[in-house]
Amino acid sequence: QLQLQESGPALVKPSETLSLTCSVSGGAINNRGYYWAWIRRPPGKGLEWIGSIYYSGTAYYKPSLKSPVTISVDASKNQLSLKVTSVTAADTAVYFCARGHNGALEEWGQGTQVTVS
Amino acid sequence: DIQMTQSPSSLSASVGDRVTITCQASQDISNYLNWYQQKPGKAPKLLIYDASILRTGVPSRFSGSGSGSTFTFTISSLQPEDFATYFCQQYDNGPPLSFGGGTNIQIK
Repeated sequence: QLQLQESGPALVKPSETLSLTCSVSGGAINNRGYYWAWIRRPPGKGLEWIGSIYYSGTAYYKPSLKSPVTISVDASKNQLSLKVTSVTAADTAVYFCARGHNGALEEWGQGTQVTVS
Repeated sequence: DIQMTQSPSSLSASVGDRVTITCQASQDISNYLNWYQQKPGKAPKLLIYDASILRTGVPSRFSGSGSGSTFTFTISSLQPEDFATYFCQQYDNGPPLSFGGGTNIQIK
């Protein structure tokens, strides 16, 4: 059974870089049939897709994000990572990693709360 | 970017009620539309994909319909465990993905 677990700092200072890791178990992260994504939910708001990365290594990001973002995969560790640079209070949210297939985000991690302050 | 307008943003309903949520896309997205349920403190859960296909294991009281730019999500008989927030999500031609604003279903 696939399991995803996000980890990283709960508190980040403004203008610093937020780094999160998603550890995948029960399945290989380099499976051609799937892609991997980061999504967040700010307090009192809805879900926001941040970006996705495919087997080829190509990553796509939400165009209107205010803070620069990088998503990468470390297949040797079966991990997905997210870096958000120059964070602001607007980056405060619960961050989720997910596995996608044909446009649907089928499996999700439990999420990790990140506060920028 | 494709914008998704979901309505209502919240509603109050009783157990046994029929509930319908609407999602409007800013352009034609064919049937590239999914629905999720999220409970407080939990991860979102995929319920319906490709507008109308029920994911395995999801109760049949949940259904979805629509194509083009207008979609609906229906719970035929609301159960106590269905009180949650529901989101639509489009994926027309791949990324970027986008979500509707969500509908919070509360107990009347």
